Order: sequence, then C-alpha cells, then structure tokens
Amino acid sequence: DAGVTQSPTHLIKTRGQQVTLRCSPKSGHDTVSWYQQALGQGPQFIFQYYEEEERQRGNFPDRFSGHQFPNYSSELNVNALLLGDSALYLCASSSPSDRDGETQYFGPGTRLLVL
Amino acid sequence: AQTVTQSQPEMSVQEAETVTLSCTYDTSESDYYLFWYKQPPSRQMILVIRQEAYKQQNATENRFSVNFQKAAKSFSLKISDSQLGDAAMYFCAYRRNNNDMRFGAGTRLTVKP
Repeated sequence: DAGVTQSPTHLIKTRGQQVTLRCSPKSGHDTVSWYQQALGQGPQFIFQYYEEEERQRGNFPDRFSGHQFPNYSSELNVNALLLGDSALYLCASSSPSDRDGETQYFGPGTRLLVL
Repeated sequence: AQTVTQSQPEMSVQEAETVTLSCTYDTSESDYYLFWYKQPPSRQMILVIRQEAYKQQNATENRFSVNFQKAAKSFSLKISDSQLGDAAMYFCAYRRNNNDMRFGAGTRLTVKP
C-alpha cells in the first residue's frame, strides 16, 4: 500500500522565481491538503483540494496556487518567491468516505530554500 | 477559531521511563478529532494516535496512550517505556469536518540512554 509521496525532496530557488511541488496521495485517498512548516514551528494550512477543486484555503497570498488532477495527485505552485517562502512543504491525504476519514497521512515533505 | 496550545517546548525522559506531553485546545464544537503526530529528524509526520471527541474512552496504541479531558479541553500524550527511537518533535492537532488540521507549536522530546 503506497503512502503519500512528494517530489522533489529538496529544492533551491532564487527570489522572484517560480516553483512547482508535486504530491501523490495514499492509495484510495481523494483529498489532498498542503501545509507550510517553517523551521521550529508547527505546520500551517495552505489549501485543500477535493474533486479537482480548491475546497478550503488558509491565510496565504494568491502567489500560492494549486491543482488537483483526475488521479487525485496534486501540485503546489508558488510564484514570485520570497526569502520567507523557505520552509518544509508537506502534503497530506485523506478520504472523507473512510472510516478514519478525519485522519490525514503525510508525505515526507519538500524542503524549499529561497536565496 | 480553533487553536491548539502545547506549553512544553522541550521535554526530556530517561530510557524505559514514562513521559507525558501536554496539549490544550480551544473550540466551541462538540464533535471533532484530536491527534498526536511524531516528526523525527527525517521530517515525515507520522500519526501516533487519534481520539474521537464523542468517545469517552481514552485511545491507546501500544506504549502510547492519551488522557482526553473534554470539559477541560485537554489532550495529553503518555509514552510508556520510552525508547531512543521515540526522540522527535511531537505535534498535537485538531480537525473537524474534514477541514484544515490545526497544529500546536510542538514539543521536542529527548530520550536519554
């Protein structure tokens, strides 16, 4: 049973550039959420995708956008990168129809460094 | 708004001993879920245990158990027979209606041999 996978594992970008992070949910899951985790802090919710639509959004600027594909995989795009975007980006999947639907399972994360 | 507070930035325990990590939360809802996640240096967030608010019985998973006090909005994690592999950041989290998960700031647990 494949867990949540993310790519790439590490990424270095410069200010002003754009980045795309990818996530494949756990087998059988149809909902993907993205979180940003700054060093030494808890994860902060960016947005959630379900049925290829953004279902809920946290307090992040429009520079952060996403997409969900028919196979439930998802992308997180960040435009006009700022130094403060340096963080660990976590993807989590779940399925509302599951018995433990409220449980989110996390991927290993993508470490983004903006120089 | 739902908030989660972990008041212990760091905790330390001797190998084979027991340690309790604290968590409080604020919500006006009666139906929700609470979680403890472990994040080792490898970064991956691993589910330790979960508790449904409608269940009065405290959840247990092997050496891990919780003390869920709904009226006090308290949700502590007890780790028994601590092992070196338990060393990690531990996050308490709240979720309701498949919405975003709210995390505390985390507690760094050190296990001394």
